[in-house]
Amino acid sequence: GAGVSQSPSNKVTEKGKDVELRCDPISGHTALYWYRQSLGQGLEFLIYFQGNSAPDKSGLPSDRFSAERTGGSVSTLTIQRTQQEDSAVYLCASSLDWANSPLHFGNGTRLTVT
Amino acid sequence: GDSVTQMEGPVTLSEEAFLTINCTYTATGYPSLFWYVQYPGEGLQLLLKATKADDKGSNKGFEATYRKETTSFHLEKGSVQVSDSAVYFCALSDPSLSSASKIIFGSGTRLSIRP
Repeated sequence: GAGVSQSPSNKVTEKGKDVELRCDPISGHTALYWYRQSLGQGLEFLIYFQGNSAPDKSGLPSDRFSAERTGGSVSTLTIQRTQQEDSAVYLCASSLDWANSPLHFGNGTRLTVT
Repeated sequence: GDSVTQMEGPVTLSEEAFLTINCTYTATGYPSLFWYVQYPGEGLQLLLKATKADDKGSNKGFEATYRKETTSFHLEKGSVQVSDSAVYFCALSDPSLSSASKIIFGSGTRLSIRP
C-alpha cells in the first residue's frame, strides 16, 4: 500500500510569504506527527495529532506556525510570514496508534525561504 | 526527562569493515527502542526495534540488543557496504509519558562507506 505522502517535495518562497505543507498519512493510522530537520541537525518535534485533535502542540516554534488535520487523515502545516530561519526539511510521520508503534515517515518537504 | 544520546558523526569506514554506532538512553518508564535510517534524499524509515530488555532487533544485517543494565542500544553490522551510507537515528518511545514527547530521537549519526 501507499506510504506517507508529502507535498510539495520542494518549496522556495520569499521571506514574509505564507506557505502550506501537506501530509497524507497511511490509511488507518490514527497518530500523525510533524518534525523539522535543519541541515545537519536531528529531528525537532513540532506537533502531534491523535485523530483530528492535537493534544501536544508544545513543539511549535512560534505563533506563526499552525497545523490542522481533517477527517482523521490529511494534515496541513501552515507557516505564516516565513522567515529565513524557517528553512528546513519538514517531515511528517504517521503510526497505527500512539503507543509503541513505529513511525512511518514521508520523504519530507524541503522549504527554502529567500 | 527522557533522552537519547548517540555518537557524533560523521563515521567513515571502508567497505566490509565492522560497524558500531553507540546509543544510550535515559527513560522514566520502560521504553521501546528503535533505529531509523535516512538514505540520501529520502525520509526516515524504521531499521529495527526492540520492545523489552534483552530483545535483539535485526534487519538487513544490522543488529542491536536492548541492554537495560547499561541503558544502551548500540547498532552493529559485521560487514558494511557502500549502500549502507546514510544517517542513522536512535530513538525511544516511552509509554509512561503522556504526549508525543514520549518519542525521543537522537541527533543522528552520518555514516559514509568508502568502496
